[in-house]
Amino acid sequence: KNQVEQSPQSLIILEGKNCTLQCNYTVSPFSNLRWYKQDTGRGPVSLTIMTFSENTKSNGRYTATLDADTKQSSLHITASQLSDSASYICVVSLTGGGNKLTFGTGTQLKVEL
Amino acid sequence: NAGVTQTPKFQVLKTGQSMTLQCAQDMNHNSMYWYRQDPGMGLRLIYYSASEGTTDKGEVPNGYNVSRLNKREFSLRLESAAPSQTSVYFCASGSLAGGQDEQFFGPGTRLTVL
Repeated sequence: KNQVEQSPQSLIILEGKNCTLQCNYTVSPFSNLRWYKQDTGRGPVSLTIMTFSENTKSNGRYTATLDADTKQSSLHITASQLSDSASYICVVSLTGGGNKLTFGTGTQLKVEL
Repeated sequence: NAGVTQTPKFQVLKTGQSMTLQCAQDMNHNSMYWYRQDPGMGLRLIYYSASEGTTDKGEVPNGYNVSRLNKREFSLRLESAAPSQTSVYFCASGSLAGGQDEQFFGPGTRLTVL
């Protein structure tokens, strides 16, 4: 079964600190990997999309990396802000899957003063 | 440009009641999707519409029906609600971003079935 697993499940960091979230997937054949940010009570918002040929992609203070050989991805957040408090969801798309996505359960990040 | 809108935001139903969740997008996207999100689980696809006039089942279609009314609107109907359908429902629409389907999500409908 195609799966996407994320770690840690939850994380608390101090404002201004960096953090890294992990994603392991078994989805095959793989088309692309996305990271979404979901604020409480809102819909997910796309941060990055990477194909299997891309190793890294940045969006402001967010940097995603991808190792298609080991089927691992990470999302690095630099100089965290209170507004970064949210759930971060790793999502993988199947090749030829008709744009069907497999979602991870997310990492709940809380940034505190 | 409102993006993806959903109505209602909240709804409480009794078991056996029916209702329709509405979704509209103003981004001229061809594809639209309905997902449900439950605690401890990733979003799961209920139904999708690759283009106007077509609909297909996703991972968890049982108990639901959909209608792609036109290019803008995609509705989800629960004919006889069950407590297992208590969830947050998200509608999304898709565009092709460099050959990849970027999906934009609505704010969600929180449904409770008693």
